[in-house]
Amino acid sequence: QITLKESGPTLVKPTQTLTLTCMFSGFSLSSSGVGVGWIRQPPGKALEWLAFIYWDDDKRYSPSLKSRLTITKDTSKNQVVLTMAYMDPVDTATYYCAHSLVGRFGELSVFDYWGQGTLVTVSS
Amino acid sequence: QSALTQPPSASGFPGQSVTISCTGSSSDVGAYNYVSWYQQHPGKAPKLMIYEVSKRPSGVPDRFSGSKSGNTASLTVSGLQAEDEGDYYCCSYAGSNNLGVFGTGTKVTVL
Repeated sequence: QITLKESGPTLVKPTQTLTLTCMFSGFSLSSSGVGVGWIRQPPGKALEWLAFIYWDDDKRYSPSLKSRLTITKDTSKNQVVLTMAYMDPVDTATYYCAHSLVGRFGELSVFDYWGQGTLVTVSS
Repeated sequence: QSALTQPPSASGFPGQSVTISCTGSSSDVGAYNYVSWYQQHPGKAPKLMIYEVSKRPSGVPDRFSGSKSGNTASLTVSGLQAEDEGDYYCCSYAGSNNLGVFGTGTKVTVL
């Protein structure tokens, strides 16, 4: 069965870089049609898609955060890493990683399995 | 890219039906049949309820159904049950440079 789990710091200071790791099992990120995405949710607010990495190492970022985000994968370790630079208190949120299926032309079809999420607080 | 628009709240008595709308544009909901719906209980991760507009994953009750007309997608929960309470979010593919746009979220209350 597919499982994902996020890990990383619970507290970061403003201007620091956040590094989050998503460890997964039950699928291979080298299989065609598969991807992993990162989504965040500020306390009491809506979900927001951040970044996505395809099985073939193609990457996509939210246009509004593109300059601050980097997503990478280590297929041998079953890990996906997200870094977000220049953290600000407004970035305080629960960060989720999720398994995704991709359509024939690279369309994001669905986030079908989610990790439990990790709360990151940005404060000095 | 703006978030998709959902009503802040919806409610119904047990056994009734509730429908949640998700309004986007011709660049997202109206352009692709890649609309999905997620249920979220407090303190929990979102759970997939509907994908590709109207498909139901295994294990999701057939009380949940999805549809789309133009730039608006809808989720209907029939035969409301207490466990259906929670927040619901839609999500749509919006092109190769903006893979996933989420909705503003709807809080469903079972009266």
